[in-house]
Amino acid sequence: NAGVTQTPKFQVLKTGQSMTLQCAQDMNHNSMYWYRQDPGMGLRLIYYSASEGTTDKGEVPNGYNVSRLNKREFSLRLESAAPSQTSVYFCASSERGLGQPQHFGDGTRLSIL
Amino acid sequence: SQQGEEDPQALSIQEGENATMNCSYKTSINNLQWYRQNSGRGLVHLILIRSNEREKHSGRLRVTLDTSKKSSSLLITASRAADTASYFCATDVGGSYIPTFGRGTSLIVHP
Repeated sequence: NAGVTQTPKFQVLKTGQSMTLQCAQDMNHNSMYWYRQDPGMGLRLIYYSASEGTTDKGEVPNGYNVSRLNKREFSLRLESAAPSQTSVYFCASSERGLGQPQHFGDGTRLSIL
Repeated sequence: SQQGEEDPQALSIQEGENATMNCSYKTSINNLQWYRQNSGRGLVHLILIRSNEREKHSGRLRVTLDTSKKSSSLLITASRAADTASYFCATDVGGSYIPTFGRGTSLIVHP
């Protein structure tokens, strides 16, 4: 039972390069999320998908795009990476509704030089 | 912006001692959740307390909620070295089902 799987685990990019972070969940959850975690800032929501076919902006969406490919998969794309996007990125999933616990992947550590 | 703020930012204790961390929030909530994050890993859900509840227990964890003070506390009794982690509170805001996370408390339990 894998839960939430993120790939890659580590990545180093040069400024201006693009890349896609992949996320897949096997719990049949409706909702999926992308967060970034920076020292002293906690977790900040980038984008979320309430259900298959829908996506919405979170607190810090600038510089990112997302695709909800199907119910299982939710990808995050950096079109032109900037040093300010150096962070740890977490994907999570949950059932939709108040009080539903989120299940997290182990993150992608992204450095942009 | 953070809805919940944990206090203290860091806590260092000896194995066997109790650890208490607090979360304060700004607006009315429906639920408050606590999560744990081990170094290099994702967050793991620990416990949820609803706004009409005052206390919940799960193993060595005890969570209280005081809606009049807009605060919650997480107590870990008889702590172990394996409890070393960061602990986050998460609250729903304005009826949204998406929780907003605080900055976390870093707990170190010395063996």
